Amino acid sequence: ILNVEQSPQSLHVQEGDSTNFTCSFPSSNFYALHWYRWETAKSPEALFVMTLNGDEKKKGRISATLNTKEGYSYLYIKGSQPEDSATYLCAFPDFNKFYFGSGTKLNVKP
Amino acid sequence: GAGVSQSPSNKVTEKGKDVELRCDPISGHTALYWYRQSLGQGLEFLIYFQGNSAPDKSGLPSDRFSAERTGGSVSTLTIQRTQQEDSAVYLCASSLSRGPTYEQYFGPGTRLTVT
Repeated sequence: ILNVEQSPQSLHVQEGDSTNFTCSFPSSNFYALHWYRWETAKSPEALFVMTLNGDEKKKGRISATLNTKEGYSYLYIKGSQPEDSATYLCAFPDFNKFYFGSGTKLNVKP
Repeated sequence: GAGVSQSPSNKVTEKGKDVELRCDPISGHTALYWYRQSLGQGLEFLIYFQGNSAPDKSGLPSDRFSAERTGGSVSTLTIQRTQQEDSAVYLCASSLSRGPTYEQYFGPGTRLTVT
């Protein structure tokens, strides 16, 4: 079993704040790193798939960076909005088998 | 197009009963995964199917758990003689193909409660 850790476990911010959280993963045998957003009462939805030769990924106000040498990825949200409230999961594939972190639960207050 | 669907959405069962959970993946997706999330835990890998290849069952927690995938499409996860520790949300996901760079598309999950 591979250890994938996310921090913080939960985060409360005000609308308009920028925030970031971390996913730590094994620094050996890197294939890819996935980020998913899981809103309450919905299905987890893919945000980014980060690969070895990839640059920073960006989707609107959300971006992600990757450091495979030290085994971490940061997810950034600029100008948080209430609709960003969700649990953000990262997943580290051991080729076909995916290991998920416990997630960072983000609550954005209006 | 249609996403991944799962049924039932909620299931309450008595300890010792068998349950079947169903997953309909996105048409054309050859890879299918089952996960579960117990209270306060992260997503735990259970089993993985790819096309007609033998499934990777290494995540199944006990021999009470089994899964099959018929015709390379619909999958059923069966839990025999359910225990209270089986209570969790069971999620199914499919992807276009196997491999670490293919994003997974998740269903809405089945919330299983064993009383």
